[in-house]
Amino acid sequence: DSGVTQTPKHLITATGQRVTLRCSPRSGDLSVYWYQQSLDQGLQFLIHYYNGEERAKGNILERFSAQQFPDLHSELNLSSLELGDSALYFCASSVEPGNTIYFGEGSWLTVV
Amino acid sequence: DQQVKQNSPSLSVQEGRISILNCDYTNSMFDYFLWYKKYPAEGPTFLISISSIKDKNEDGRFTVFLNKSAKHLSLHIVPSQPGDSAVYFCAASEQTGANNLFFGTGTRLTVIP
Repeated sequence: DSGVTQTPKHLITATGQRVTLRCSPRSGDLSVYWYQQSLDQGLQFLIHYYNGEERAKGNILERFSAQQFPDLHSELNLSSLELGDSALYFCASSVEPGNTIYFGEGSWLTVV
Repeated sequence: DQQVKQNSPSLSVQEGRISILNCDYTNSMFDYFLWYKKYPAEGPTFLISISSIKDKNEDGRFTVFLNKSAKHLSLHIVPSQPGDSAVYFCAASEQTGANNLFFGTGTRLTVIP
């Protein structure tokens, strides 16, 4: 158990819908990262928050957004969902940038 | 553009022998490298890391080698055990700055009993 908690573990939704994935980082970790793993793909970096502020953006679509709240939990919002958005979404956390990153178990999103 | 590449999607090794997983990177600014292990339906688990100031780091059965001039790193597992069967991801980052990890596509290791 890495200490990073993600909910929901599984989610099935229709195209055009919007979903929110939630992440609680390890206790004491200020950095939260979101990654996407599609079929046959490696882990694609989406976005990084540090202590409530956006630190860096990766290959995140405009239909996706994220935020980190004062209690340091984070949410990834995915809207206007397409079939290609079906993937495993991982949240990860670290004490701060430069430290080892620990991953949650992921949220499986299936868009039908 | 894939900045971290693992060109072998799979590797099979006999139990007790050495497993060597390879990784190449293109970004010369990367200065911190990690290996993660992933079982099905679980998140990646940190295994071992190496900073660019070193060329070798060892932790038990796991050793990571870094060749900066070739932009290549490898993970050696000796001796390999059936429980090592998993997907191994190589990752790299610029430690100063945002510390975003860039991952390879993974190598599935199967250790045959």
